[in-house]
Amino acid sequence: QQQVKQSPQSLIVQKGGISIINCAYENTAFDYFPWYQQFPGKGPALLIAIRPDVSEKKEGRFTISFNKSAKQFSLHIMDSQPGDSATYFCAASMVDRGSTLGRLYFGRGTQLTVWP
Amino acid sequence: EPEVTQTPSHQVTQMGQEVILRCVPISNHLYFYWYRQILGQKVEFLVSFYNNEISEKSEIFDDQFSVERPDGSNFTLKIRSTKLEDSAMYFCASRVDRALGNTIYFGEGSWLTVV
Repeated sequence: QQQVKQSPQSLIVQKGGISIINCAYENTAFDYFPWYQQFPGKGPALLIAIRPDVSEKKEGRFTISFNKSAKQFSLHIMDSQPGDSATYFCAASMVDRGSTLGRLYFGRGTQLTVWP
Repeated sequence: EPEVTQTPSHQVTQMGQEVILRCVPISNHLYFYWYRQILGQKVEFLVSFYNNEISEKSEIFDDQFSVERPDGSNFTLKIRSTKLEDSAMYFCASRVDRALGNTIYFGEGSWLTVV
């Protein structure tokens, strides 16, 4: 059962453009939605995260948009740079529920390439 | 910035052999995890650990897997009899405290190749 669905699988954007990655979830018990960035040979690193009580969160060039009714959330990277080229994973967890201890359910990942 | 450290970075082992992957979580963290990532696929949860016991495990974490916190700093994943399909990158992760923060920090991974 795929708890979190992510698209597209790969994305090519020109430098300065906007990168948009979408995720959808099924389990309404999820209450924490992080995005992780992963460079080749490295572990996933938290980029930005959102809780379902807000519809948008912005940190620098990175913005999460969250639509609770549609059970969807997306990552927008403004002014994309070649250094943003990496794999991006959305994830979801039930942070405050019983014994789950915030287990992360990851999407399949999006390989972003930003051309100079 | 504090980080999760993992050893070895890469290990090649023969099928059927036992493997121990080691992790040193961030020092004041209380929750520990192992995840794995098969090449080109998504990151998958294996197990979570708190207060010296397993809190949750996935269907991947069968009887050949075990975890241990042998002392105050290390957190290990043992695979008893490795199979070819165990070849993957294994990530250790930790989190400080449920009340203080949700961020799960990942190590750089241990790449396991079973031949």
